[in-house]
Amino acid sequence: RKEVEQDPGPFNVPEGATVAFNCTYSNSASQSFFWYRQDCRKEPKLLMSVYSSGNEDGRFTAQLNRASQYISLLIRDSKLSDSATYLCVVNGGSNYKLTFGKGTLLTVNP
Amino acid sequence: DVKVTQSSRYLVKRTGEKVFLECVQDMDHENMFWYRQDPGLGLRLIYFSYDVKMKEKGDIPEGYSVSREKKERFSLILESASTNQTSMYLCASSLLAHHGTDTQYFGPGTRLTVL
Repeated sequence: RKEVEQDPGPFNVPEGATVAFNCTYSNSASQSFFWYRQDCRKEPKLLMSVYSSGNEDGRFTAQLNRASQYISLLIRDSKLSDSATYLCVVNGGSNYKLTFGKGTLLTVNP
Repeated sequence: DVKVTQSSRYLVKRTGEKVFLECVQDMDHENMFWYRQDPGLGLRLIYFSYDVKMKEKGDIPEGYSVSREKKERFSLILESASTNQTSMYLCASSLLAHHGTDTQYFGPGTRLTVL
């Protein structure tokens, strides 16, 4: 299993749609989990951290299932401005290195 | 706001040249990182540093070296550039050494082309 594996995408959805991204990780000792967002020709930026209890930030909900080593990101009521690549990111467990998934491209269409 | 700056947005070099990529952060962060990003391969860690003069190899250190003489500055060096080092290079920093939970802040990237 690859260290961090994401849906390959791309996803094309209409405005207002709900879209879900999935991610699996291989290192069971991983302790920290994140979703980063990368706009076209820009640098990645933290979207949200992912906690065991699940967490929500407006239209965005992140979930973590440690038993299945699975992370998800749900975007409700998609906006045109949500168009970007979404990166699943996992801390290696014993150090402060982050491992990035390859990303999933989302395009929200009018 | 955290600011991470990189010396060039675009760089074109010839095979065999020595190339320096500079990164500066202004928030007194302890950790600094160099990644490269390639289509289909995602972000891959080249080197990182958790303190001045300290460095650790990432996943793909071959063909690269780094220097951290001051806390705010982390340089990536290509001793003899090759065409397979054509890529987008991203620098990042995070606050505390040995903390995996800290947000990494990225610079705008340097697109390096080696001819």
